[in-house]
Amino acid sequence: DTEVTQTPKHLVMGMTNKKSLKCEQHMGHRAMYWYKQKAKKPPELMFVYSYEKLSINESVPSRFSPECPNSSLLNLHLHALQPEDSALYLCASSPQGGGAKPNTGELFFGEGSRLTVL
Amino acid sequence: GENVEQHPSTLSVQEGDSAVIKCTYSDSASNYFPWYKQELGKGPQLIIDIRSNVGEKKDQRIAVTLNKTAKHFSLHITETQPEDSAVYFCAASRAGGGADGLTFGKGTHLIIQP
Repeated sequence: DTEVTQTPKHLVMGMTNKKSLKCEQHMGHRAMYWYKQKAKKPPELMFVYSYEKLSINESVPSRFSPECPNSSLLNLHLHALQPEDSALYLCASSPQGGGAKPNTGELFFGEGSRLTVL
Repeated sequence: GENVEQHPSTLSVQEGDSAVIKCTYSDSASNYFPWYKQELGKGPQLIIDIRSNVGEKKDQRIAVTLNKTAKHFSLHITETQPEDSAVYFCAASRAGGGADGLTFGKGTHLIIQP
């Protein structure tokens, strides 16, 4: 079983709603990630947090707002989304990241949150 | 930047036969090559990885080979079983990039025929 836990597993929201996706890991990993995955496509990187600081933002629209309250938790706040934002949102963690050396490269994914925007 | 090509996009094999999925990469500085398995409705799971200082790595029925000169790496699954059916993604990451710099291939849908 994955040690990265994501909630909720499924979320349906309207374009005017505000919702949040949550992610938790207790492996002591210092880097956490949000990925977006459309059907039959590979995961696309959205954000990277390293040591609780945002280190990478892959030009994601501001209607997606990440938050890292502590080293074990990662949130993704959603507001005014569009139907094309419907996708599987994956959280992942890695022992080290953000340029920390050595960066082992291993990435551990959660099961994802399936988001549908109506 | 890095570009990872993965073939085939769909692979159907008889149960018990072997399956091979191939990937090529463009950045000669890439030194970490993981493989992920994604079952329907689940997140990707790391199944095996290889670093540029070795040419082959095995874990039970799964093996990965790396040819740095040709810049390609392959996943080999022997004695395939129904539970091997899934989408497999290869990825590459350059030195120092680690997990931040992973570039994924487009995926291979592996179908194990009973």
